[in-house]
Amino acid sequence: NAGVTQTPKFQVLKTGQSMTLQCAQDMNHEYMSWYRQDPGMGLRLIHYSVGAGITDQGEVPNGYNVSRSTTEDFPLRLLSAAPSQTSVYFCASSALRGANQPQHFGDGTRLSIL
Amino acid sequence: SQQGEEDPQALSIQEGENATMNCSYKTSINNLQWYRQNSGRGLVHLILIRSNEREKHSGRLRVTLDTSKKSSSLLITASRAADTASYFCATGKNTGTASKLTFGTGTRLQVTL
Repeated sequence: NAGVTQTPKFQVLKTGQSMTLQCAQDMNHEYMSWYRQDPGMGLRLIHYSVGAGITDQGEVPNGYNVSRSTTEDFPLRLLSAAPSQTSVYFCASSALRGANQPQHFGDGTRLSIL
Repeated sequence: SQQGEEDPQALSIQEGENATMNCSYKTSINNLQWYRQNSGRGLVHLILIRSNEREKHSGRLRVTLDTSKKSSSLLITASRAADTASYFCATGKNTGTASKLTFGTGTRLQVTL
């Protein structure tokens, strides 16, 4: 049972490039979310989804797109990478509405924008 | 914006001692959760306490919640070197169509032999 799997683990991009961070879970969880973690700022919510076909913005959505075509997958797209998006990105899932349930986290994608 | 603020930011203790971390928040909540993060890894859920609960235990962990003071504490008893990690509180609140967790900035715990 893999839980939440994030790929890639590390990535270096140049400013202006685009890329997709992948997140997959095998627990049949309805709720999935993306966070970024920056030093001294904890985790901040980027986007979340309460089920296939439904997404919504979190605290810091600008510069990121998401889609949820299946229950298992919740990719995060950087449209035009900026140095301010250098961060560690975490995907999480839970069985029901997110804040009322324990979250299962992936091991993160460490992203550097040059 | 951060909802939960942990105190202290860093804590260093010896193996066998107890470690206490505190979390304060600003607005009403439905629950509060504590997570552990080992270096280079994702967060791992430790314990969830609902707003109508005052105390919860799980193994060597004890969590208290005081909604009147908008604060929570995490106590790790008889600490071990393996407890070295960052610990985060997260407040949960139902909002409209979904509910959101808001994380604090964390406490870095170092347990030395």
